[in-house]
Amino acid sequence: GEDVEQSLFLSVREGDSSVINCTYTDSSSTYLYWYKQEPGAGLQLLTYIFSNMDMKQDQRLTVLLNKKDKHLSLRIADTQTGDSAIYFCAEAAMDSSYKLIFGSGTRLLVRP
Amino acid sequence: ETGVTQSPTHLIKTRGQQVTLRCSSQSGHNTVSWYQQALGQGPQFIFQYYREEENGRGNFPPRFSGLQFPNYSSELNVNALELDDSALYLCASSLGQTNTGELFFGEGSRLTVL
Repeated sequence: GEDVEQSLFLSVREGDSSVINCTYTDSSSTYLYWYKQEPGAGLQLLTYIFSNMDMKQDQRLTVLLNKKDKHLSLRIADTQTGDSAIYFCAEAAMDSSYKLIFGSGTRLLVRP
Repeated sequence: ETGVTQSPTHLIKTRGQQVTLRCSSQSGHNTVSWYQQALGQGPQFIFQYYREEENGRGNFPPRFSGLQFPNYSSELNVNALELDDSALYLCASSLGQTNTGELFFGEGSRLTVL
């Protein structure tokens, strides 16, 4: 079955690195995504990685993909208070349509 | 700013009523998907529209229906509203069914059913 799991909460100090982890189940997923959601807002696409890649870096964000373990992580360098939000991991499932299977989200709290 | 716009942003309905939510996709995107996000949970796929036809559906009853128009904008209709339909409804637009990877969401329509 399709299932994406994330830890519920992460607290870091401003300036430190944050690492948010995710596990997924569908080995045929083509893309894996990280979205950010601030209170009362929609989903902001942060980054995504194609399944044949191991790593993708985009400014302060680094995504690592371990296909063997079906593990995805998002590292945020030099975490700022503005990074406080809920982060969702999602895997793409392709049957008759292209749909995303989301985890329940990790709430990141950045302490000053 | 993704270019995906949704309306209304907030609305309140009572049980048994019907609601229509609207979405304009990002310029150049021809595929629209709808997701329901209950409080404290991740979004769940409702259905997708491509070339004005429903192209896949999640585990939602038939009282959830939709439309896509020639300009690729879309509507989500929910009949016979139930209390559990209270949620944030998110629209996502993308280019094509197979997707290039980019899937952009709007800010959502928050529905409260009393």
